[in-house]
Amino acid sequence: DIQMTQSPSSLSASVGDRVTITCQASQDISNYLNWYQQKPGKAPKLLIYDASNLETGVPSRFSGSGSGTDFTFTISSLQPEDIATYYCQQYDNLITFGQGTRLEIK
Amino acid sequence: QVTLKESGPALVKPTQTLTLTCTFSGFSLSTSGMRVSWIRQPPGKALEWLARIDWDDDKFYSTSLKTRLTISKDTSKNQVVLTMTNMDPVDTATYYCARILAGALDYWGQGTLVTVSS
Repeated sequence: DIQMTQSPSSLSASVGDRVTITCQASQDISNYLNWYQQKPGKAPKLLIYDASNLETGVPSRFSGSGSGTDFTFTISSLQPEDIATYYCQQYDNLITFGQGTRLEIK
Repeated sequence: QVTLKESGPALVKPTQTLTLTCTFSGFSLSTSGMRVSWIRQPPGKALEWLARIDWDDDKFYSTSLKTRLTISKDTSKNQVVLTMTNMDPVDTATYYCARILAGALDYWGQGTLVTVSS
């Protein structure tokens, strides 16, 4: 099974800050990597697909990059409504999620 | 528009079999490339993928849970059913179904909380 290691597990940042989350796959997954946002009590929401493509309707402050085993998710200027837990997900072989990053406002 | 909704018991006893139904609209599971997955999330914990069924009836399961899971579809009713045998308190979680498009889970149901307790 492919393991996804996401870091950090939690993060505190100020409004306007640039925020970066990383996800590392246990083997090469090309660009078969998606990012989700989950707010408390809600289902996850797809933000980025195929490592770097912004889902329709998602603000452009969200972005993703990487390929192979190392991936990065970035919020260019943190907004209060971005408080959530973020997950990476690979689909090169079945589906695996990262352990999540809880993002809080400082 | 695409919608999915999970239904099933809120409470099951240990050793019982759980049956969950995902009823969807806005797409057809007979369309080439369409897939539906089940995912669960224990309270306060991470997402865990469980199973997937494809338009051509191919089925895939989590390695760690495959002996306990069965996924099926009823295309005429726009439903996907997941059964999980031998339920245990550690299986307490919110269970989601989601549509998969090209590997991305692009639409999710609201989730249904299942508690395993005697």
